[in-house]
Amino acid sequence: AQRVTQPEKLLSVFKGAPVELKCNYSYSGSPELFWYVQYSRQRLQLLLRHISRESIKGFTADLNKGETSFHLKKPFAQEEDSAMYYCALRTQGGKLIFGQGTELSVKP
Amino acid sequence: EAQVTQNPRYLITVTGKKLTVTCSQNMNHEYMSWYRQDPGLGLRQIYYSMNVEVTDKGDVPEGYKVSRKEKRNFPLILESPSPNQTSLYFCASRRTEGVTNEKLFFGSGTQLSVL
Repeated sequence: AQRVTQPEKLLSVFKGAPVELKCNYSYSGSPELFWYVQYSRQRLQLLLRHISRESIKGFTADLNKGETSFHLKKPFAQEEDSAMYYCALRTQGGKLIFGQGTELSVKP
Repeated sequence: EAQVTQNPRYLITVTGKKLTVTCSQNMNHEYMSWYRQDPGLGLRQIYYSMNVEVTDKGDVPEGYKVSRKEKRNFPLILESPSPNQTSLYFCASRRTEGVTNEKLFFGSGTQLSVL
């Protein structure tokens, strides 16, 4: 079955603390993984994608095929990072499957 | 400005009254898609379209219809809305060719309430 799981509905951390948003996937083919973010009152937008191996706004994510994970990490959380984060998998057929989302709340 | 435009932003209606949510993109994207966002369930795909006159069911197509007569427009039609279709709806588009084809552009969302 093709599935993306984000086990945490809400993650609350203090400013300056490290943050890790978990994402696990189930897919038999070669996956493409993404993280999308939705700030309050804004539309969903792409944050980063695994093929680019980029760091956006201090966030990084590494695809671990052995553990079928694509966790999103940031060493020092900022208040402006508070948002809804979605992990997504694109199948070889082009279908995009989203996880349930994790709400990140960064407190001062 | 490159964007995906949805209308209306908010809609309250009653059971059984047909409605259409419009979606338009100005980026000449081939691929367009509709999602609904519900608490605890995340984003679920309703329908998608790979190009003009080509539409396919997503994960939760029941109760919805779509059409793709023009490349820029992809309206979502609820012929007989029911309360379980109360949700936040997002339209999205992307290219299907090229190195940036994986980036999905989203509309601002349509909050639908069916009473």
